Amino acid sequence: DIQMTQSPSSLSASVGDRVTITCQASQDISNFLNWYQQKPGKAPKLLIYVASNLETGVPSRFSGSGSGTHFTFTISSLQPEDIATYYCQQYGDLRPITFGQGTRVEIK
Amino acid sequence: QVQLVQSGAEVKRPGASVKVSCKASGYTFTEFYIHWVRQAPGQRLEWMGWINPNGGGTDYAQKFQGRVTMTRDTSINTAYMDLRSLRSDDTAVYYCARVIVGAVSMAYWGQGTLVTVST
Repeated sequence: DIQMTQSPSSLSASVGDRVTITCQASQDISNFLNWYQQKPGKAPKLLIYVASNLETGVPSRFSGSGSGTHFTFTISSLQPEDIATYYCQQYGDLRPITFGQGTRVEIK
Repeated sequence: QVQLVQSGAEVKRPGASVKVSCKASGYTFTEFYIHWVRQAPGQRLEWMGWINPNGGGTDYAQKFQGRVTMTRDTSINTAYMDLRSLRSDDTAVYYCARVIVGAVSMAYWGQGTLVTVST
């Protein structure tokens, strides 16, 4: 199985700060990488697909980059409504699809 | 608009089975795979498998092989996930999700179904 390792596991930042989360894959997954936002008690929401494509309706302060084994997710200016846990998900190997352990983002 | 509506919460005894449904609307049901993902309390998302509503083909994560069956009924645009021989560590929220065109990116999710396995 491809292991997805996110860092940090949690972070605390101020409103307006730039926030960066990384996701490392244990094998090359090309750009087959998605990012999701999950708020407590809610289903995940797709934010970024195929590493760098912004899902329709998602604010432009969210962005993604990377390929191969190293990926980055950025919130350019943190807003109070961005408080959530963020997950990366790979589908470079479909057997099985795997998710990162999540990064909890809090407001300082 | 695309909607996935799941069945309600379940409480089961160890060793029992549970069947969760996922009713789709707002698109042509047979044109997109449905994936099932679960999340145990405080844990990461865990992919269980997928079903192709067009033909019923499936693929399951090896962890669930032999215990899970995914089916669909195209007459009512509904997918099902059946999990057998339940254990306490199967306690989780189970989600169905629909992918987008050309990528295994889950853009539409059901609201989740809490399955509690307890004596």
